[in-house]
Order: sequence, then C-alpha cells, then structure tokens
Amino acid sequence: SQQGEEDPQALSIQEGENATMNCSYKTSINNLQWYRQNSGRGLVHLILIRSNEREKHSGRLRVTLDTSKKSSSLLITASRAADTASYFCASGASGNTPLVFGKGTRLSVIA
Amino acid sequence: NAGVTQTPKFQVLKTGQSMTLQCAQDMNHNSMYWYRQDPGMGLRLIYYSASEGTTDKGEVPNGYNVSRLNKREFSLRLESAAPSQTSVYFCASTLIGGSNQPQHFGDGTRLSIL
Repeated sequence: SQQGEEDPQALSIQEGENATMNCSYKTSINNLQWYRQNSGRGLVHLILIRSNEREKHSGRLRVTLDTSKKSSSLLITASRAADTASYFCASGASGNTPLVFGKGTRLSVIA
Repeated sequence: NAGVTQTPKFQVLKTGQSMTLQCAQDMNHNSMYWYRQDPGMGLRLIYYSASEGTTDKGEVPNGYNVSRLNKREFSLRLESAAPSQTSVYFCASTLIGGSNQPQHFGDGTRLSIL
C-alpha cells in the first residue's frame, strides 16, 4: 500500500501567492523526496530531505520534515503560472526498499 | 542528453493482445523501475531491477513481466492485455538501488486497452 499521502488533493492560488502542500507517511523513513509532474510529462525531482534534516531550501522551494509527526511540507513562494503542475512526495526507507509515492497534489496558479 | 526514453508514447490494444513497452537510459544508471499511474492513485511500482541481471516485484506485478536486457534497457511486457491495465506507464532509473537518491523519469507510455 502507498505510504505517502498529500494534502490537499487540489490547490488553486493566484500568481504571487505562496503554495503549501503537506505529506504524511506511516513508517520510519531514511529520506523524503518531492517531485513535480507537468501535464503529459514524467516526474521531475525537486528536492530530497534526509531524516536527520528539518528544513531544506532550493530556490523558491522550502521543504520541512517532522519525523515525530511523520509529515513533510513543501512551500513554493511567490508562485508563478509555470508552477502549475502536480506535486508528489515519495518516502524512502532504509536498505534497498524502493521509493513509495503518494497520490499527489494538483496545483493551479492563476495569472 | 536524452535521459530516460520510453517507446511507444501511445498505444491502443484490444483485450487479449500482447505488448512490450521499451525503456532505455543513457545515464549509466544501475537501477531501473516500472510504474503505472492511474487517476487519483499516484504512482504504483510494478517491477524494478536493482542491478543488471536482477528483477523484483513491486506493489502491483500481476499481469506483467519484465526483462532487464542489459544495463541500459528494461522492458515491460503485457502477455494478455486487460482493460484494467489501461494506464500511463512510467520508467525511471537511479544510479544505484534503494531509495536514497533521485529517480529520473521518462515521459511515459499512454496505453489504452479496449
């Protein structure tokens, strides 16, 4: 069964606003990753945060990880129309276990 | 700079027909994966190959077979297609196995089974 669950399922905001997406997972992880998927395309890796990290930044992206609550959030600041996409979290356990993806959040940024 | 290439991009099959989806990567990655993506279901792992010569079942392997032809290529075969296998199929690769690094995805094969 899938481990990561994103919230909300869909989000619509105005250009320039911030977008926050949340991800919850069920068991212990080694790392958590976020991906973006534009319509009709494959997933593109955005950021990886390890279990011993609490926050990570990449450009306009900010990811937090709270292992005590088994949750992560992705914040996109000053959103643009080009940020319109689906965003997925993926949780990685230790060892050779493959990533487990959540169901995604559909973000629409309206110009 | 192709990355992960999937062929074909679209395919329509009739129930009971067979089909092989092809995937090739040019990044010298050791591990490769096949996923299916259905509306509202996210990505579900079908099979993966941690290294050349090995394959393992994922979450939803029934009705599929795979072949790791060489380090570059990993194919997915539907022996007798069923309407429930209508989906978008994605291939991905990583430098090494496990979950500690980013996956690189192809742009998918959209498969419809009538």
